Amino acid sequence: NVLTQSPGTLSMSPGERATLSCRASQSVTSSNLAWYQQKPGQAPRLLIYGASSRATGTPDRFSGSGSGTDFTLSISRLEPEDFALYYCQQYGSSPLTFGGGTKVEIK
Amino acid sequence: EVQLLESGGGLVQPGGSLRLSCAASGFTFSSYVMNWVRQAPGKGLEWVSGISGSGGSTYYEDSVKGRFTVSRDNSKNTLYLQLNSLRVEDTAVYYCATAHTGYCTGGDCYVDMDYWGQGTLVTVSS
Repeated sequence: NVLTQSPGTLSMSPGERATLSCRASQSVTSSNLAWYQQKPGQAPRLLIYGASSRATGTPDRFSGSGSGTDFTLSISRLEPEDFALYYCQQYGSSPLTFGGGTKVEIK
Repeated sequence: EVQLLESGGGLVQPGGSLRLSCAASGFTFSSYVMNWVRQAPGKGLEWVSGISGSGGSTYYEDSVKGRFTVSRDNSKNTLYLQLNSLRVEDTAVYYCATAHTGYCTGGDCYVDMDYWGQGTLVTVSS
């Protein structure tokens, strides 16, 4: 199941709302979709699982939505620490696959 | 506190072998499916392999089947990945990660991953 993330890069200012898209080539079973944040030189961090459930420690400015083939990660008000790479991952079918990533950069 | 610490990476020639280790602490290791995920330099994430809590079931991405072997020693709280017949395209940072939700069954794993190590770099080059 190929995941396509858009846009590739999002140039935003702190305080703005960011919307990241993840589109699957096939329907994602049971909304088994996760979002990860990765900063340079660090491991990925799980933010969202089950398409919309926040992982432990994920601030409530992060929200996930969607089903079927279209999923969205929203960041309501960008904080300085939110500028990073974001990946979606589906775990509804084999093999597990990740999207190519969206970089959220400071405008 | 959950900690995962990978080791064993390095420079190896094409066709060579390496064994990666992931030392775990802070949780009941044997209760969790464990995974290896890799990231080529400047590229995205790729799931490589998974193993059940008991070690009795293993799972692989197609491009590494027959070349990589995942195992675990629950008495030592350690996960392993044996890399054989290495190719230039295997060059990547290799992360170990715990399964968060989902399950593994038959020949497949359906999991997301919550705790990750810091990664170990494998470079395959002549």
